Amino acid sequence: QSVLTQPPSVSGAPGQRVTISCTGSRYNIGAGYDVHWYQQVPGTAPKLLIYGNSNRPSGVPDRFSGSKSGTSASLAITGLQAEDEADYYCQTYDNNVSGSAVFGGGTKLTVL
Amino acid sequence: QVRLQESGPGLVKPSQTLSLTCSVSGASISSGGFYWSWIRQLPGKGLEWIAYIYYSGSTYYNPSLKSRLSISIDTSKSQFSLEVRSVTAADTAVYYCARAAWGESNYFDSWGQGTLVTVSS
Repeated sequence: QSVLTQPPSVSGAPGQRVTISCTGSRYNIGAGYDVHWYQQVPGTAPKLLIYGNSNRPSGVPDRFSGSKSGTSASLAITGLQAEDEADYYCQTYDNNVSGSAVFGGGTKLTVL
Repeated sequence: QVRLQESGPGLVKPSQTLSLTCSVSGASISSGGFYWSWIRQLPGKGLEWIAYIYYSGSTYYNPSLKSRLSISIDTSKSQFSLEVRSVTAADTAVYYCARAAWGESNYFDSWGQGTLVTVSS
């Protein structure tokens, strides 16, 4: 059971917009800690996609955006492309454990 | 651009100690503001943070694993290492080393390619 809850799967057609939710609690997202997102293409290492709720590292297309409100965060992908098919994970800090990092269970995005 | 590379045995017997090393290149392991981390992914499952270490030796451990863990750093070799004692089949996973940008909520900005460790007799 992950500390952060994500839907197991989402799907969309090329060109469409999809969102992936990440729900936490008052001990992590609700406490104001930043949320980060990773993309993992099967068979490869995760890659940082969004940090600090809504910031994109260099090289990440602006089709990817992040937001946070209350005890939840969201990742939005617009103009869906076949190459976006991957697993997506949210991550933040949980103040129940000093120095910790907690992840969501992951969401598999299927591009139809 | 920082690069991380895991190394270690791919097969460990139950009850033995799993030992992995991460070699860092392209950036100083002694850079302030970054912790060095281990994360694992059980087969078909999500990501689990294991431990952090700073170049000074300061450490943080996942409490669910802490009793079996030891993380260390060798700045002269630009390497950091992980030991997991008394392993069982439940420790079979892909182990990643990663660099964590340290702040109120740390994030992992660079990852190694991962190494599969199987626990089996």
